[in-house]
Amino acid sequence: GENVEQHPSTLSVQEGDSAVIKCTYSDSASNYFPWYKQELGKGPQLIIDIRSNVGEKKDQRIAVTLNKTAKHFSLHITETQPEDSAVYFCAASIPGANSKLTFGKGITLSVRP
Amino acid sequence: EAQVTQNPRYLITVTGKKLTVTCSQNMNHEYMSWYRQDPGLGLRQIYYSMNVEVTDKGDVPEGYKVSRKEKRNFPLILESPSPNQTSLYFCASSAHRGAMSGYTFGSGTRLTVV
Repeated sequence: GENVEQHPSTLSVQEGDSAVIKCTYSDSASNYFPWYKQELGKGPQLIIDIRSNVGEKKDQRIAVTLNKTAKHFSLHITETQPEDSAVYFCAASIPGANSKLTFGKGITLSVRP
Repeated sequence: EAQVTQNPRYLITVTGKKLTVTCSQNMNHEYMSWYRQDPGLGLRQIYYSMNVEVTDKGDVPEGYKVSRKEKRNFPLILESPSPNQTSLYFCASSAHRGAMSGYTFGSGTRLTVV
């Protein structure tokens, strides 16, 4: 089955700086890569996703890049703000009958004011 | 408002006492799934359902049951809870089979089994 790993497990940045969170996946058949943000006491919320036929996608201050050859994808957050502090999960999905999302273990991002 | 509703939010129970965590979605989604979240382990899938009366095991199904009698509801049943099932549980739904449109998650149920 698919295995998704996230690095690093914690990340602290100064407000206004950029943050980059990286994930690797094991199965080259994976074709859908979402990112979720989980705030304290809440469920994960989809913030951006990318499909395997696209190399990069942007939405205001966040962007995701995908390198299919190396089997890794990254979340980029520019001009970080304290409200970006949360746990971020990457995930991957293999097309098929289940097409379940396999999640990484999550990274805690702290934005220092 | 489109949402996935889980109840209860918090639950403390004793070993062996059957319990049910309810999950309901108002988006007419076909696909629903249960995950558990544990420190250092991330989110792991327990069970999923492709549609009414169609359910299957995820990665960690032992000790759990589910049912899908109606499209909107997908309850998680613990017939004989044990302390290793103490966890944070999330229900999720998706418009398409699997995940190609992303999941909508509920707010979570924190279960403690003593």
